[in-house]
Amino acid sequence: QQQVKQSPQSLIVQKGGIPIINCAYENTAFDYFPWYQQFPGKGPALLIAIRPDVSEKKEGRFTISFNKSAKQFSLHIMDSQPGDSATYFCASVPSGSARQLTFGSGTQLTVLP
Amino acid sequence: DTGVSQDPRHKITKRGQNVTFRCDPISEHNRLYWYRQTLGQGPEFLTYFQNEAQLEKSRLLSDRFSAERPKGSFSTLEIQRTEQGDSAMYLCASSPGTTIGEKLFFGSGTQLSVL
Repeated sequence: QQQVKQSPQSLIVQKGGIPIINCAYENTAFDYFPWYQQFPGKGPALLIAIRPDVSEKKEGRFTISFNKSAKQFSLHIMDSQPGDSATYFCASVPSGSARQLTFGSGTQLTVLP
Repeated sequence: DTGVSQDPRHKITKRGQNVTFRCDPISEHNRLYWYRQTLGQGPEFLTYFQNEAQLEKSRLLSDRFSAERPKGSFSTLEIQRTEQGDSAMYLCASSPGTTIGEKLFFGSGTQLSVL
């Protein structure tokens, strides 16, 4: 069962654009919300993460916005580059479940040169 | 190379055969995870080890699947009597084991094709 719903499924932007990927979680308490980036033939790699007591976190060109009341969070990529073309997954760690990540279904991002 | 290593990278097998995958985590990482990823989907949690103890198993892990982590170092994932539905990428990850919600370091996976 998918507890994290991610959209859109795919996204195409021009170089320099600001792609936005959205995720929503269901009626379960989560402690931690990471975003992972995956290139073809590779495993996912952590990009940026946020905890629910913070509404926004920025690292370089990547920003997470978190809306606790709406149970939604999103990833913004500023000044996107062709090298950012990859699949992006949001994820969450349920409270009390120890260590298992629940991933969204992924967004395939293409940044055109 | 100090990353998570998985072997083999690709495995093709016939239905009904047994297969075993190996994962070597980052040295001194206490936690080790197995995930399964099918095309166009996010990884799904299978099981998790804290040192040599298997602490969590997903209901996705049927009795045909078994995972071990002897001595808390490398881990193996065995699938018995493979079925076509087992075709997927099997990902291993490790983490230091110091906090909840810490960074997972993934390997490049083993792509299993069951014919």
